[in-house]
Amino acid sequence: KQEVTQIPAALSVPEGENLVLNCSFTDSAIYNLQWFRQDPGKGLTSLLLIQSSQREQTSGRLNASLDKSSGRSTLYIAASQPGDSATYLCAVKGPGTASKLTFGTGTRLQVTL
Amino acid sequence: DAGVTQSPTHLIKTRGQQVTLRCSPKSGHDTVSWYQQALGQGPQFIFQYYEEEERQRGNFPDRFSGHQFPNYSSELNVNALLLGDSALYLCASSLGGQTNRYTFGSGTRLTVV
Repeated sequence: KQEVTQIPAALSVPEGENLVLNCSFTDSAIYNLQWFRQDPGKGLTSLLLIQSSQREQTSGRLNASLDKSSGRSTLYIAASQPGDSATYLCAVKGPGTASKLTFGTGTRLQVTL
Repeated sequence: DAGVTQSPTHLIKTRGQQVTLRCSPKSGHDTVSWYQQALGQGPQFIFQYYEEEERQRGNFPDRFSGHQFPNYSSELNVNALLLGDSALYLCASSLGGQTNRYTFGSGTRLTVV
């Protein structure tokens, strides 16, 4: 059974800092890994998707890496801004056309002025 | 281009009642998945519908049932509501058999009293 863990559970940083969020998963047989952002009480916004054959993906100030063999992914946020404050969730999709997403419990990020 | 639309946005029900939640997928998407997100937790997979059939199901009791219509929209039904069913219910749509990238709706907040 796939299990996804995210560390830390919560993080508070001053504006302008670079930061790293961690995600680990127990079964390396994944199809892809996705990072999502969730604002309080809202749905999920997809940030980055990394296929199992890829090592990293970048979008603006965000960079996500994937080490499938060790079951780890990191989300790097450069030059953090107060608008980055949200919960960040990682999710892995198993192999197979019908495979579900398995989510971690998220990292709650607060960027202070 | 409309994204995933869920209705209603909020709902309050009494224990023992039944509830129906609705989801319209993103234009061009034909697969709908439902997730339950309890407060402070990551989303948990309920089931997925493709070609009007339930293709995969998570670890949820039979009180949870669903349907997909020919226009790809979907309903989630929950019977005999329990207090523990209080959660944010998220609908995600995707395209085709590979279900590569998911687009999530804003969710329905269900409160059972």
